Amino acid sequence: DAGVTQSPTHLIKTRGQQVTLRCSPISGHKSVSWYQQVLGQGPQFIFQYYEKEERGRGNFPDRFSARQFPNYSSELNVNALLLGDSALYLCASSKDGTFDEKLFFGSGTQLSVL
Amino acid sequence: QKEVEQNSGPLSVPEGAIASLNCTYSDRGSQSFFWYRQYSGKSPELIMSIYSNGDKEDGRFTAQLNKASQYVSLLIRDSQPSDSATYLCAGVDSSASKIIFGSGTRLSIRP
Repeated sequence: DAGVTQSPTHLIKTRGQQVTLRCSPISGHKSVSWYQQVLGQGPQFIFQYYEKEERGRGNFPDRFSARQFPNYSSELNVNALLLGDSALYLCASSKDGTFDEKLFFGSGTQLSVL
Repeated sequence: QKEVEQNSGPLSVPEGAIASLNCTYSDRGSQSFFWYRQYSGKSPELIMSIYSNGDKEDGRFTAQLNKASQYVSLLIRDSQPSDSATYLCAGVDSSASKIIFGSGTRLSIRP
């Protein structure tokens, strides 16, 4: 079975632009969550979706939005990019969307904002 | 602001010794805790989860939880060079609406 897949792997944008990151969960998993990881720090929780509904949201500005599709894949959108948005964006999938279950992480999208 | 705190390290341990990694958390209502391992340039992978006070063992790994002291630890016995990685402690907040990761402890196993 394929693991969690994320695209693109790397992205370079300039300040003020908008970006869309994509994630496909493991087959059979209904929940997707997104994390931002700055170098030297742990992942910071952005969103969790389960069955297309938002289940949780971290402390990120409204420039960050996400959605989940009927096939359980997900997109993370970031508008009006700032230099500080440069980070590794990780997607994780899980079966049931409860926060106390195992997360399976994708390889991430490395976003650089110039 | 609910937090999970870890010593960033690096923690250097000789091969074959016990590595001890520690984590404290501020949310007294947190019930579920996790240890993830992250190799350089890779994504995190789950090593252990622990939900009740006491010890939980899985092979060379033992997780310990003390809710009264708000303290979680991970022991790695017979440390191997392949254990060299960053270890992330994470907890689910009391409202069960988010997971909070610590900044990670970098572990280096020296031959």
